[in-house]
Amino acid sequence: QLQLQESGPGLVKPSETLSLTCSVSGGSISSSSYYWGWFRQPPGKGLKWIGSFYSGSTYYNSSLKSRVTVSVDTSKNQFSLKLISVTAADTAVYFCARVGEMSTGGGGIWGQGTLVTVSS
Amino acid sequence: DIQMTQSPSTLSASVGDRVTITCRASQSISSWLAWYQQKPGKAPKLLIYKASGLESGVPSRFSGSGSGTEFTLTISSLQPEDFATYYCQQYNNYWAFGQGTKVEIK
Repeated sequence: QLQLQESGPGLVKPSETLSLTCSVSGGSISSSSYYWGWFRQPPGKGLKWIGSFYSGSTYYNSSLKSRVTVSVDTSKNQFSLKLISVTAADTAVYFCARVGEMSTGGGGIWGQGTLVTVSS
Repeated sequence: DIQMTQSPSTLSASVGDRVTITCRASQSISSWLAWYQQKPGKAPKLLIYKASGLESGVPSRFSGSGSGTEFTLTISSLQPEDFATYYCQQYNNYWAFGQGTKVEIK
């Protein structure tokens, strides 16, 4: 059964870089059939897409594109998120996900999420 | 960017009620729409994909319909475990969510 687990610091200082890793078990991120990616949810608010990858290409939310990098390590079956120059507005629960099958969008599975607080 | 608007924002209902949530897209997204359920402190769970496809393991009381710009999620008979927040998500042009609909106990 596919499982995703986010890891990384829970506290980041303003202006610094937020770095998270998603470890995937029970399936391969090299599968060419699925999109994978990152989402976030500020406390008490809604969901927002950050970035995704599929078949060697990466895609970013235009509102975050200048600050975000999603990278993939197929040897470790992991993918990562880096968000530079963070502010308090980046405080959120960050989720990694197998977003969905490329032809239908089905099969989406999310990690449990990890809270990242931006504060000095 | 495609904007997604859900209504209502909050819905009060009783166990056994038929519940309908509406989602509208700012432009046509064909059938590239998903519905998620999220409970407090938990990750979103995919219920419906491609507007009407029932994700594996999801009870058949959940159904989705619509195409173009108007979509609905229907719960045919609300169960205690269904009290949660529901989000629509378009994936015609990247991914974007509606603001959510909280289904609470009446």
